[in-house]
Amino acid sequence: TQLLEQSPQFLSIQEGENLTVYCNSSSVFSSLQWYRQEPGEGPVLLVTVVTGGEVKKLKRLTFQFGDARKDSSLHITAAQPGDTGLYLCAGGRGNQFYFGTGTSLTVIP
Amino acid sequence: NAGVTQTPKFQVLKTGQSMTLQCAQDMNHNSMYWYRQDPGMGLRLIYYSASEGTTDKGEVPNGYNVSRLNKREFSLRLESAAPSQTSVYFCASVFRPDRRDTEAFFGQGTRLTVV
Repeated sequence: TQLLEQSPQFLSIQEGENLTVYCNSSSVFSSLQWYRQEPGEGPVLLVTVVTGGEVKKLKRLTFQFGDARKDSSLHITAAQPGDTGLYLCAGGRGNQFYFGTGTSLTVIP
Repeated sequence: NAGVTQTPKFQVLKTGQSMTLQCAQDMNHNSMYWYRQDPGMGLRLIYYSASEGTTDKGEVPNGYNVSRLNKREFSLRLESAAPSQTSVYFCASVFRPDRRDTEAFFGQGTRLTVV
């Protein structure tokens, strides 16, 4: 059983569209991280959020941590082909990080 | 380049064979992790080492052992490989000076097939 569930599992959109990826859990985490992974590579950390309700922006990417620290969302504005990849959320508890199931995003030029 | 180096990149084993996956980081991080990644399952934690000299089980430790040889190196051993251990294995190195600040770097992965 996965502690963190991501939705949607797959997403294919046209360049220029907006999208939101969700990461949900019934458990509370002390921190929440988002990663992007490209084929044949390891995940690359994008952001860490730690406070309930926190919002962080990274260029066209907006990350939000839920008020109760059980869920998070990633919103991408005006998606570009370079955004294509597998997006993973990971919840932190003590020294452990639990990963979500992943959202595979394809942005079509 | 600084980072996390995993060897080998690819490996095919026969059922029952043993092997060790190597991981080394040159960023002076205290914490290191081993994950496996399977389709539709995300990454699952096998073992981790919060600091040199300590190791702890993660979500899926059965069939694996680890050694934190020194601060730089953290190895994962399969004593008797099984087809269920076919997966992509990732090593990660993590630095957390405080709860707000996390640096996490992953290696490029080891693609293991057990036949």
